[in-house]
Amino acid sequence: KAGVTQTPRYLIKTRGQQVTLSCSPISGHRSVSWYQQTPGQGLQFLFEYFSETQRNKGNFPGRFSGRQFSNSRSEMNVSTLELGDSALYLCASSLATGEGETQYFGPGTRLLVL
Amino acid sequence: QKEVEQNSGPLSVPEGAIASLNCTYSDRGSQSFFWYRQYSGKSPELIMSIYSNGDKEDGRFTAQLNKASQYVSLLIRDSQPSDSATYLCAVNPLWTSGTYKYIFGTGTRLKVLA
Repeated sequence: KAGVTQTPRYLIKTRGQQVTLSCSPISGHRSVSWYQQTPGQGLQFLFEYFSETQRNKGNFPGRFSGRQFSNSRSEMNVSTLELGDSALYLCASSLATGEGETQYFGPGTRLLVL
Repeated sequence: QKEVEQNSGPLSVPEGAIASLNCTYSDRGSQSFFWYRQYSGKSPELIMSIYSNGDKEDGRFTAQLNKASQYVSLLIRDSQPSDSATYLCAVNPLWTSGTYKYIFGTGTRLKVLA
């Protein structure tokens, strides 16, 4: 079974621009979560989508938004980019089982804001 | 504030030794616990999940959970240089509605010396 895929893998943007990142979950997984990872803050939860609805949200400003499509693919958008948005953005898909719900990460999109 | 704490390391062990990685969490209602391995520049890779008190073994890896002490650990037997990576502890709190779904520790960097 194919894993989680993310596109693009690398991005360079300038301050003030916006960016859209894409994530395709593992087939059959309906939950998609997004994380920001920086050396200083570690892995920070952005939001989670399930069946096209945002189910959980982390503590990030409104510039960060997302959506999920009927095929479970998800996009994340960051508007008005700031230098501090430079990070590795990770998408994780998960499937609930009898024991719980386990997340599997994609390769990430590395965003550099200049 | 729900927290997951890990010693950042680096934890250095000689090849063939047992590496012991520890994690404490603050939310007593947490239900699911995970260990991820992350190589430099790569995305986290799931190693172990544990849901019940006690030990869970998978190959050279053993996860240990003590909910009363709010403590989860990962033991790596016969450590190899290829185990050198950052190990992330993740906790899934019981109450997920409207708040963080997964909380990650900042990770422990493990160095296995040949």
